Amino acid sequence: SQKIEQNSEALNIQEGKTATLTCNYTNYSPAYLQWYRQDPGRGPVFLLLIRENEKEKRKERLKVTFDTTLKQSLFHITASQPADSATYLCALDEGGYNKLIFGAGTRLAVHP
Amino acid sequence: DADVTQTPRNRITKTGKRIMLECSQTKGHDRMYWYRQDPGLGLRLIYYSFDVKDINKGEISDGYSVSRQAQAKFSLSLESAIPNQTALYFCATSDPSGGVGNQPQHFGDGTRLSIL
Repeated sequence: SQKIEQNSEALNIQEGKTATLTCNYTNYSPAYLQWYRQDPGRGPVFLLLIRENEKEKRKERLKVTFDTTLKQSLFHITASQPADSATYLCALDEGGYNKLIFGAGTRLAVHP
Repeated sequence: DADVTQTPRNRITKTGKRIMLECSQTKGHDRMYWYRQDPGLGLRLIYYSFDVKDINKGEISDGYSVSRQAQAKFSLSLESAIPNQTALYFCATSDPSGGVGNQPQHFGDGTRLSIL
C-alpha cells in the first residue's frame, strides 16, 4: 500500500542545535517534494520544494535532501530557535500536477 | 489582509444539516483546492479546480460538493452533514505559471467544523 511516514512523536531539541526531520514514503514515485510549516490554528506555509534530480536544496537555515533510492527526504533546521517550534509537513507531487499527498507531520519543539 | 480567506473560522452544526464553507483569494491564482485535516492524518484532498470551468474530485470527495463561482471564489458544501465529517478544512491556491512541479500551495487558516 502507499504511505508517507513522518515521525509521529514530537522532536525535542535544544536551542542552537540542528533539527532533522524525516519523511519516508512507500509505493510512490514523486517527481517533486515540498515541505510546509504549520502553526497551531493556522494553515500550512510553504517552505521549500525539491525536484527528484536535485540532491539538496537550501534556504537560509533550512536544508532539504531528497534520496529517491532510499525513498526519503530529510529536512534540517540549523541553529534552531524557539520560534522554529511548529509542525512540519512533507508533501509528495508525483506528476508535477500539484495534486499533493501530505504526510501527517512532525511536531518540533525547540527549548531555550 | 490575508491572501486566502476562509469563512466561517468555526462552525458547530447538527447531523443532516447543509453546510457551506467559503474560500476567497486575492492572489489571482487559477488553481484552488479543498482539503480536510484530521488528527494523526495528513491533509487529504477533497476537490480541486484548475480554472473556473475545471473541477475535479480528489481522494475523498464522497459527501461533498464544490462550486467555483469565479477565479477568486471556491465553495465547499456538505449536503447532509454527518459526524465523521467533523474536521479542520483548508482551502489552498497555486499559480500554474511557476511551471510543472513548481507550484507551492498557499493556504487559508482553515474552518474548524464540528457536527453533532
